[in-house]
Amino acid sequence: GENVEQHPSTLSVQEGDSAVIKCTYSDSASNYFPWYKQELGKGPQLIIDIRSNVGEKKDQRIAVTLNKTAKHFSLHITETQPEDSAVYFCAPSGYSTLTFGKGTMLLVSP
Amino acid sequence: DAGVIQSPRHEVTEMGQEVTLRCKPISGHDYLFWYRQTMMRGLELLIYFNNNVPIDDSGMPEDRFSAKMPNASFSTLKIQPSEPRDSAVYFCASSLLGGGNTEAFFGQGTRLTVV
Repeated sequence: GENVEQHPSTLSVQEGDSAVIKCTYSDSASNYFPWYKQELGKGPQLIIDIRSNVGEKKDQRIAVTLNKTAKHFSLHITETQPEDSAVYFCAPSGYSTLTFGKGTMLLVSP
Repeated sequence: DAGVIQSPRHEVTEMGQEVTLRCKPISGHDYLFWYRQTMMRGLELLIYFNNNVPIDDSGMPEDRFSAKMPNASFSTLKIQPSEPRDSAVYFCASSLLGGGNTEAFFGQGTRLTVV
């Protein structure tokens, strides 16, 4: 099965700073690389995803970069805001189910 | 669509009692997933269905756990008998295609406490 690791497990930044979360995976057959955001008391929600034929994707303040050779992909958040505070999960997959990382708690201080 | 709907939102029960969690997926979604979330183990996939048929239940921890999907708009996860170590947040999710290649939509979760 897929082994997924996320780093760091917690990340504290000041409002306006950038944040980067890295996800490494083991299965070379993985071809779909999403990031989910989970706010307190809610279920995870997809915020951005990328497929294996693309190296980078950007959506306003968030971006995802993929390095298939090294088997890792990263979430980049620029100009962080307090409402970005949440737990972020990567979930690389190639089959019918998502394998979630352990999560990164991002705290954005005003 | 109102999204994936789970009930109840919170459940407190005594050890040994039967617990039933309910889920209504998004209309038209062919895949339904049950996850369990704990601090120690993170988000674990318990079981998933495709067109109401269970495909993979290898994540179901014990025979005390069972899941059904009698029709396309309803699924249940049952724990009988419940134990304190079953305390967790249980999420139901649905997706249009296989969850490995498309967005999975999660419900708000059911927080289960077994005392």
